[in-house]
Amino acid sequence: NAGVTQTPKFQVLKTGQSMTLQCAQDMNHEYMSWYRQDPGMGLRLIHYSVGAGITDQGEVPNGYNVSRSTTEDFPLRLLSAAPSQTSVYFCASSGLPTGGRDTQYFGPGTRLTVL
Amino acid sequence: RKEVEQDPGPFNVPEGATVAFNCTYSNSASQSFFWYRQDCRKEPKLLMSVYSSGNEDGRFTAQLNRASQYISLLIRDSKLSDSATYLCVVNMISSGSARQLTFGSGTQLTVLP
Repeated sequence: NAGVTQTPKFQVLKTGQSMTLQCAQDMNHEYMSWYRQDPGMGLRLIHYSVGAGITDQGEVPNGYNVSRSTTEDFPLRLLSAAPSQTSVYFCASSGLPTGGRDTQYFGPGTRLTVL
Repeated sequence: RKEVEQDPGPFNVPEGATVAFNCTYSNSASQSFFWYRQDCRKEPKLLMSVYSSGNEDGRFTAQLNRASQYISLLIRDSKLSDSATYLCVVNMISSGSARQLTFGSGTQLTVLP
């Protein structure tokens, strides 16, 4: 199993450009999520999905869109990149909870710089 | 106030030392608790879950105090390979079936030879 994969690993954008960060998992997990990590702030939830066709907003959703057409894929779209979106983006997946003790598996991250 | 707060760190300890990290959370309805480890420029990985009765995994001991809303991680006999950032994570299950993990900002540990 490849686990959770993310592409690209690095990306530089100009302000106003749009792009899609790809995330895929091969563990048949229902739950997938996107986080951003900034220095001193920990990981913050952007969007999440509890299954194909179902998405919801997290803590910091503005400027991002997601869709979940299949169980495996959960792309994150930046609509019009801003310097404030410079960050490291992590995708994660997990199976349905059993007693709340579930394990999140993270992808290797995408390091995004917006100029 | 942050929902999950950790010791600011960084902690620099000699090999073989015992080191403890603390974490407090604000939501008394939180359901489950974890410690994740993150190496420099890598993704977080689950280190261990934290159970109400406390639990141990080799040199690592995690404890939970629900009354004080406090979580701890103790590392005994520190190894160079323990150098990493340790993230306190709380699962605040919201309404319906949604689950959200809330991460602390992490405590950096460097074990020195």
